Amino acid sequence: DGGITQSPKYLFRKEGQNVTLSCEQNLNHDAMYWYRQDPGQGLRLIYYSQIVNDFQKGDIAEGYSVSREKKESFPLTVTSAQKNPTAFYLCASNRARSPLHFGNGTRLTVT
Amino acid sequence: DQQVKQNSPSLSVQEGRISILNCDYTNSMFDYFLWYKKYPAEGPTFLISISSIKDKNEDGRFTVFLNKSAKHLSLHIVPSQPGDSAVYFCAAETSGTYKYIFGTGTRLKVLA
Repeated sequence: DGGITQSPKYLFRKEGQNVTLSCEQNLNHDAMYWYRQDPGQGLRLIYYSQIVNDFQKGDIAEGYSVSREKKESFPLTVTSAQKNPTAFYLCASNRARSPLHFGNGTRLTVT
Repeated sequence: DQQVKQNSPSLSVQEGRISILNCDYTNSMFDYFLWYKKYPAEGPTFLISISSIKDKNEDGRFTVFLNKSAKHLSLHIVPSQPGDSAVYFCAAETSGTYKYIFGTGTRLKVLA
């Protein structure tokens, strides 16, 4: 079965630590995305990548970094510069002009 | 500046009746629109989409209507079922940008 795997489902970190969220897809999609969901704010785009070795900032990229070294993988690093890192993070992928397929998310809690 | 807006945070509907969820957008360059359904602690699942060359698209109980002049789209669910209770997001994209912008969501509750 093809799909998007996000791991872990729950992640806890101390303030000041960087943390990397994993996203892997086996759908052979070219494009991958990271969104953040906060209560009452919907899904906000952090970063997206149309092809390997290329990515663009979304609307709320500050304090985050990504890499796209392989087509299947698009890890997101939440750095200590991110002011409010506690959130539900969603990874997605798609082909051009087709719906996004989402993973089941990672809930990050920073204390 | 929120380019995609869902002004109703919540909606309650009786089972068997029609649910109508609304979405407004401000960017006239958007030409591809989608609706997603989301349960808590899960990723959104795709429901239905519409291209700007159409004004209606239907898939089973779900129909999406697009009014380009009003920059408005709506999702109709008929008949509504208790399993439809979830948060619904609309999203929009301008072709080729790969930048999908989501609304804030509407929580639908279907009452048995």
